[in-house]
Amino acid sequence: DIQMTQSPSSLSASVGDRVTITCRASQSVIDYLHWYQQTPGKAPKLLIFAASSLQGGVPPRFSGSGSGTDFTLTINSLQPEDFGTYYCQQTHSIPLTFGQGTRLEIQ
Amino acid sequence: QVQLQESGPGLVKPSETLSLTCTVSGGSINSQYWSWMRQAPGKGLEWIGYIYYSGSTNYNPSLKSRVTLSVDTAKNQFFLKMNAMTAADTAVYFCARGGYSASDYWGQGALVTVAS
Repeated sequence: DIQMTQSPSSLSASVGDRVTITCRASQSVIDYLHWYQQTPGKAPKLLIFAASSLQGGVPPRFSGSGSGTDFTLTINSLQPEDFGTYYCQQTHSIPLTFGQGTRLEIQ
Repeated sequence: QVQLQESGPGLVKPSETLSLTCTVSGGSINSQYWSWMRQAPGKGLEWIGYIYYSGSTNYNPSLKSRVTLSVDTAKNQFFLKMNAMTAADTAVYFCARGGYSASDYWGQGALVTVAS
């Protein structure tokens, strides 16, 4: 199985900050890497697919980069509605796997 | 706008079989992959498996012996059956559109509790 490791596990930031979350795969997933945001009691919401493509309707302050084993999700100018838990997911190999999540708290 | 809705029992007894239905509206189930994920209370996301509209499947090896996915294109529905349920299977179960690609539409989730 491909292990996905996110860092940090949690962070606290202020409105207007730039936030970076990283995701490392235990082996190459090429660009089969996607990012989701989940708020309490809700389903995950797709933000970024194929490492760097912005999902329709997602604000452009969200961006993704990386390939192979190392990936980054960046949120520019953090907004109050950006709180929640962020997950990366690889769909390169079966079983599809998620990172353990990064909990983002807005100060 | 594609919408997905999970339905099924909220309580399952140990050793019994869970049956969940995902109903797709606002779009066709045809020519798409459809997935099931779950999330135990306070935990992360776990992929269960996906099915293509034609019926071909891929399962998480850790659950493969217990899981069956199926699809009914006429009803625009797909299904999850998981047998030999235990307390460790207590989770919110999500259906979603997507398989080997990102999952772009998700159901709201269905809480399934395994208890006697």
